[in-house]
Amino acid sequence: GENVEQHPSTLSVQEGDSAVIKCTYSDSASNYFPWYKQELGKRPQLIIDIRSNVGEKKDQRIAVTLNKTAKHFSLHITETQPEDSAVYFCAATGANNLFFGTGTRLTVIP
Amino acid sequence: DGGITQSPKYLFRKEGQNVTLSCEQNLNHDAMYWYRQDPGQGLRLIYYSQIVNDFQKGDIAEGYSVSREKKESFPLTVTSAQKNPTAFYLCASSMDRSSEKLFFGSGTQLSVL
Repeated sequence: GENVEQHPSTLSVQEGDSAVIKCTYSDSASNYFPWYKQELGKRPQLIIDIRSNVGEKKDQRIAVTLNKTAKHFSLHITETQPEDSAVYFCAATGANNLFFGTGTRLTVIP
Repeated sequence: DGGITQSPKYLFRKEGQNVTLSCEQNLNHDAMYWYRQDPGQGLRLIYYSQIVNDFQKGDIAEGYSVSREKKESFPLTVTSAQKNPTAFYLCASSMDRSSEKLFFGSGTQLSVL
């Protein structure tokens, strides 16, 4: 089955700096890669996703890149703000289900 | 509550007791899922259902049971066979069987007395 690894587990950045979270996956057949944000005590929410036929996707301050050959994808947050502080999960499809990484706790220091 | 509702928010289980977590959605989504969230372990799939009256085991189904008698409802029972049930349980739904664009409920925190 699919195995998704996520790094780092914790990340602290100064407000205004960029943050990068990286994930690798094992199943070369995976074709959908979403990122979820979970604020403290709240439900995970989809923030951006990318399909395997696209190398990069941007949405305002958030971007995701995908390297199919190396089987890794990354989340990039620019000009970080305190409200970006949360746990971020990457995921990859496998056998019609999503397999999640272990999460990255991002703290943006004002 | 965003179209998918979980109850209760907090639940306590005694030794040997079965407990049932509720999940209801009004999004007209075909597929529903149950995930377990433990600190440092991300989200792990317990059971999923892609259509009414059908469901499949996920990665950690032992000690759990589900039913899908209605499209809107996907309750999860944590049985006494689940020896380590303390966790945060999240229900989710998606429009179709692809499991893309999951919508999550607000979760149930289950603790053992």
